[in-house]
Amino acid sequence: NAGVTQTPKFRILKIGQSMTLQCAQDMNHNYMYWYRQDPGMGLKLIYYSVGAGITDKGEVPNGYNVSRSTTEDFPLRLELAAPSQTSVYFCASSPTRDRVGTEAFFGQGTRLTVV
Amino acid sequence: EDKVVQSPLSLVVHEGDTVTLNCSYEVTNFRSLLWYKQEKKAPTFLFMLTSSGIEKKSGRLSSILDKKELFSILNITATQTGDSAIYLCAVPGSARQLTFGSGTQLTVLP
Repeated sequence: NAGVTQTPKFRILKIGQSMTLQCAQDMNHNYMYWYRQDPGMGLKLIYYSVGAGITDKGEVPNGYNVSRSTTEDFPLRLELAAPSQTSVYFCASSPTRDRVGTEAFFGQGTRLTVV
Repeated sequence: EDKVVQSPLSLVVHEGDTVTLNCSYEVTNFRSLLWYKQEKKAPTFLFMLTSSGIEKKSGRLSSILDKKELFSILNITATQTGDSAIYLCAVPGSARQLTFGSGTQLTVLP
């Protein structure tokens, strides 16, 4: 019963380094999302995908890239890490059930610090 | 652009108190409104509200939606220290992407 799995759980990066945050779901959900959460704030949408091969920008996409080659995986790439990207990152997925919005299933998060 | 505003930003109460958390929203095309509870890790789903005036209940938690006035409230009765958390309100877009409010940090003291 894995649900949404994110790796790594913690990471410290130096300014200018790059990394990929991994996200995988085993619920056959078409919709997947990346959010970031800064201290004392709600979650902000970075990128999302409605299916394999389709991605779209959210509210705060600058400095990030995504790809969706399979239904299961939705990695988030940081190319040139900056201190402003210090945050907790959550991956989530939703089923394509009906016309009414439905709950998202969240991964446990990746805490990223850029120094 | 969808917008969600929560109040208060933080709240400190004692065990046994009743609290009311507020969420107002502006959306292009309303589908539903969701409440989440966030402790140290990922948000966990509490309620989804789609119709106005219908109360959703789960134990000591309840929520109601007013589509005319564009707000929702989350009530917690007989609070316990385990209720301490951030409570998030969100509205979904056309691809179920969520716009969140800033959350209400609830602290319940013994």
